[in-house]
Amino acid sequence: GAVVSQHPSRVICKSGTSVKIECRSLDFQATTMFWYRQFPKQSLMLMATSNEGSKATYEQGVEKDKFLINHASLTLSTLTVTSAHPEDSSFYICSAPGGVGDTQYFGPGTRLTVL
Amino acid sequence: AQSVSQHNHHVILSEAASLELGCNYSYGGTVNLFWYVQYPGQHLQLLLKYFSGDPLVKGIKGFEAEFIKSKFSFNLRKPSVQWSDTAEYFCALEGAGSYQLTFGKGTKLSVIP
Repeated sequence: GAVVSQHPSRVICKSGTSVKIECRSLDFQATTMFWYRQFPKQSLMLMATSNEGSKATYEQGVEKDKFLINHASLTLSTLTVTSAHPEDSSFYICSAPGGVGDTQYFGPGTRLTVL
Repeated sequence: AQSVSQHNHHVILSEAASLELGCNYSYGGTVNLFWYVQYPGQHLQLLLKYFSGDPLVKGIKGFEAEFIKSKFSFNLRKPSVQWSDTAEYFCALEGAGSYQLTFGKGTKLSVIP
C-alpha cells in the first residue's frame, strides 16, 4: 500500500524557536495533504489542509501565522511551528488521500516537545 | 457541523471475548465511514471502510462494522479478541466528495491474556 513518511519522528526544542516537520508521500502523488494534531487521550484534530500550488486552508481556531504550511511539490508538505511555546507540545500527524474511493494514508507522526 | 462520538473511552476484555465498539455520527449528507487502529508506538492504519453498498463491511484481522443509517451508527465488532488487538481505535467520517476526515475521540482497547 501507499506510504507516507514524516521527519523528524521526534523533536525537542527551546521555547521561541521554530520547528519544521516534513510529510512525504513516498510512492504516490498527493495534491492535498492534511495536518492533524493529537493530544494525549484525545482525538486527532484537523489543523489544516495543505494544497499543492495554493495556500493552505486552516481550520477555525488554528493560527495561520504560527503554523506555516508549504506544499512544495506533489510529494512534500511541510509544517513549520513558529516561535514554539510549551503549549505547542503535541503529536503532529499528516495524511494524504490515496485517490478517489481510496482511504487516507497516515504518516507515523512527529512528537514535538517544547521546553 | 459534522461530528463523531465514540461512547467508550477504555474497554478492557479478556482474550476470546467478543468486542463491540460504538460509533455514532452527525452529518447532513452522504458519508463515508472508517475505523482506524493505532497500535502502541505505531501510526494509524485503516481497519475497514464503508463507502456504499452492503452495510456490513469486513476489514482486516477479523473485524467488521455495520452501517445503520437510521441510527447514524457504525459500530465495530469482532467475535473473539486477541491480546494483539490491544490498541486505540478511532471511528472517522468523511463527507462524500471530500477528503477531510473527522475523528471520534478514540477507544482504547486492552485485552488481557
